[in-house]
Amino acid sequence: DTAVSQTPKYLVTQMGNDKSIKCEQNLGHDTMYWYKQDSKKFLKIMFSYNNKELIINETVPNRFSPKSPDKAHLNLHINSLELGDSAVYFCASSQGDGYQPQHFGDGTRLSIL
Amino acid sequence: EDQVTQSPEALRLQEGESSSLNCSYTVSGLRGLFWYRQDPGKGPEFLFTLYSAGEEKEKERLKATLTKKESFLHITAPKPEDSATYLCAVQARGSARQLTFGSGTQLTVLP
Repeated sequence: DTAVSQTPKYLVTQMGNDKSIKCEQNLGHDTMYWYKQDSKKFLKIMFSYNNKELIINETVPNRFSPKSPDKAHLNLHINSLELGDSAVYFCASSQGDGYQPQHFGDGTRLSIL
Repeated sequence: EDQVTQSPEALRLQEGESSSLNCSYTVSGLRGLFWYRQDPGKGPEFLFTLYSAGEEKEKERLKATLTKKESFLHITAPKPEDSATYLCAVQARGSARQLTFGSGTQLTVLP
């Protein structure tokens, strides 16, 4: 009964390729997020979707595009991958007006060769 | 700009040796302060939310407290299974639910 699930868990690819990471939540939450965790372990917000509308975009390069087919899914598509994109990407979800905690998936480790 | 600083970066304790982790923050109006636990290869797991100075929350061996400038996570008589990275995050009023995280404290409890 996984609450927030991401696929794949590991992604190894060449520079310049395009890839997608999928995220699904079964908590009935109305907001989903993508975070990037770098080598220094800082988690930084990339995107947030509330009821299928983008409400945050924290100066992320436009090579990154979130896509939400419905409020239970938020996928992350990345074009023209660069070495600096290597990181762990976490999906999260929450409900309500922001006072509720965010629940995280187990991450996708992206490695660019 | 909202900022969160956690200290120490790493902490090694003997089983049963109590201690505290610190989270200092600057934020333009605090909506909430969140504590998470992260195990290797896993996502952050929610522990506590604190909303106002003076508030305290407890769960098993963990107790979180909040002042206007910092939060402490007190660990009483820790066990090896408490070993993890503990993350602190703040959410500002008026923010679109964005969390600003610190870099975490890596706790190791030795048997």
